[in-house]
Amino acid sequence: QITLKESGPALVKPTQTLALTCTFSGFSLTTSGVGVGWIRQPPGKALEWLALIYWDDDKRYSPSLKNRLTITKDTSKNQVFLTMTNMDPVDTATYYCAHRRGYSSSGHYYYYMDVWGKGTTVTVSS
Amino acid sequence: DIQMTQSPSSLSASVGDKITITCRASQSISTYLNWYQQKRGKAPKVLIYAASSLQSGVPSRFSGSGSGTDFTLTISGLQPEDFASYFCEQSYSTPLTFGGGTKVEIK
Repeated sequence: QITLKESGPALVKPTQTLALTCTFSGFSLTTSGVGVGWIRQPPGKALEWLALIYWDDDKRYSPSLKNRLTITKDTSKNQVFLTMTNMDPVDTATYYCAHRRGYSSSGHYYYYMDVWGKGTTVTVSS
Repeated sequence: DIQMTQSPSSLSASVGDKITITCRASQSISTYLNWYQQKRGKAPKVLIYAASSLQSGVPSRFSGSGSGTDFTLTISGLQPEDFASYFCEQSYSTPLTFGGGTKVEIK
């Protein structure tokens, strides 16, 4: 059974750096095709994808936030980390990590987020 | 970036109704389209992946169709537990993008 759990500060001040940890079980980030993503959701708004890291250490970032984001992994501890610099009140949101599964069909390779953590709420305020 | 436009943004329906939610991509994404359900205060849950494949454990009243730029999520026989928000996601290319969401409310 795959589970993921996000952890990090509930409150950060403007201009500070946010450090989030996703601790997972039930899969290995050394297995081919596996990835972990970060997604956030401001209160009452839509989902916004932030970053992805794959088993081979391929990393992808949202272009609009790329200069502020860093995603890394520690496969020995089954953890993925996300740091976001220069936090602003507009970054107030629930932050989710999710397992990204690959699926092959008819010559195509599809990806989707099949298991999500419960999310961690981050408020940016002085 | 590929823009995902979802409609309607909200709808009211009754238990037993058949409803359809649409998602339009700003460019062709083949069938790289996923649908998620999100209940209030909970994390999203995948319903449909690759446009029409039903995720294991999801009731068969949920179905997805479409390819290219136009996609639909259909719920045939709305149940009380289906009142929630629904989001589409394109996985054709990064940056991954989501639709704005559809909130399904009880009439």
